[in-house]
Amino acid sequence: DAGVIQSPRHEVTEMGQEVTLRCKPISGHDYLFWYRQTMMRGLELLIYFNNNVPIDDSGMPEDRFSAKMPNASFSTLKIQPSEPRDSAVYFCASSRTSGGPLGHNEQFFGPGTRLTVL
Amino acid sequence: GDSVTQMEGPVTLSEEAFLTINCTYTATGYPSLFWYVQYPGEGLQLLLKATKADDKGSNKGFEATYRKETTSFHLEKGSVQVSDSAVYFCASQKVTFGTGTKLQVIP
Repeated sequence: DAGVIQSPRHEVTEMGQEVTLRCKPISGHDYLFWYRQTMMRGLELLIYFNNNVPIDDSGMPEDRFSAKMPNASFSTLKIQPSEPRDSAVYFCASSRTSGGPLGHNEQFFGPGTRLTVL
Repeated sequence: GDSVTQMEGPVTLSEEAFLTINCTYTATGYPSLFWYVQYPGEGLQLLLKATKADDKGSNKGFEATYRKETTSFHLEKGSVQVSDSAVYFCASQKVTFGTGTKLQVIP
């Protein structure tokens, strides 16, 4: 199994530019999560999907952030326009429904995309 | 709502010392509980889990017991190694992560 795949691994861009981060979850997993990690704020859940449908996007910081999951094997997180405070490591994770009433099981994380906005 | 609280770091220990990282939770129902580990420059990976009260999860010498009466899931290891240096996250099945505890083990 290839695990969760994220691209690019590193992104350096200038303020105001559009940034698109990509994620391929593990085949057969029906949950997909986007996180942001910084020294100041730690690990933050931005949004998660179940069967390609956004379930909770309350962690998305503002309208500049958007996420899509057009099919079960691909998701994007877009920032437009980007700002220096968006600099962080962005993780994608996926998991499989546990079958119980509380839904998903343990999450498998990708290696992350380190974003630097100058 | 559900929440997870874990002890602040960083924690610095000498090799072969005993490790405890505290984690307490508040939850509706009895969600599965997890400990994840993040090594420098990598994503989080599952270390161990427990799916119901009184379950003990264990892996790589680490253990944690799901205690309903104290709403706790403390991580323990009897003898830490330098290679255990990492950030440890307690988490609930309801997509709730603790703030992470950085562990540094010195030779």
